[in-house]
Amino acid sequence: DIQMTQSPSSLSASVGDRVTITCRASQSISSYLNWYQQKPGKAPKLLIYAASSLQSGVPSRFSGSGSGTDFTLTISSLQPEDFATYYCQQSYSTLMYSFGQGTKLEIK
Amino acid sequence: QLQLQESGPGLVKPSETLSLTCTVSGGSISSSSYYWGWIRQPPGKGLEWIGSIYYSGSTYYNPSLKSRVTISVDTSKNQFSLNLSSVTAADTAVYYCARHRAAAPSDYWGQGTLVTVSS
Repeated sequence: DIQMTQSPSSLSASVGDRVTITCRASQSISSYLNWYQQKPGKAPKLLIYAASSLQSGVPSRFSGSGSGTDFTLTISSLQPEDFATYYCQQSYSTLMYSFGQGTKLEIK
Repeated sequence: QLQLQESGPGLVKPSETLSLTCTVSGGSISSSSYYWGWIRQPPGKGLEWIGSIYYSGSTYYNPSLKSRVTISVDTSKNQFSLNLSSVTAADTAVYYCARHRAAAPSDYWGQGTLVTVSS
């Protein structure tokens, strides 16, 4: 099984800050890496797919990069609505799509 | 606009079978290229992939749950279902259904349904 490890597990930041979240895979997953945002009581929302492609309707302040085993999600200028939990997910392994443990982004 | 909606009992007794159905509207579950999956999230914890099914019936399960999971599809009702047997308190979670392509993320999700395992 492919294990996904996110860091940090939690993060405090202020509106306007630039924030980076890291995701590491236990083996190479090429660019089969996706990022989701989840707010309390809601289903996850797809932000980034294939490591760096922005899902339609997602603000351009969100960006993703990386390939192989190391990936990052960057929010260029935090907005109040961005405070949420973020998950990475690999879609490389044949229909066994594991998630990272999540990163909770909180207001400082 | 595609919509997915989970339904089923909110309370299941230990050792019994958890059964949920996901009804798809605004699109056909028989569309080629799409898989239909289940993901769960224990209260206050992260997301866990349970498994997926293609409209033809091909299934793919999380190895850690494979011995207890069955996912099936009913194309005539535009629904797919999850059965999880021999449940324990550790299976208490919000269960989501979702759509995805092979090697691609889930782009449409249901709102989720909380299932509590308790006597």
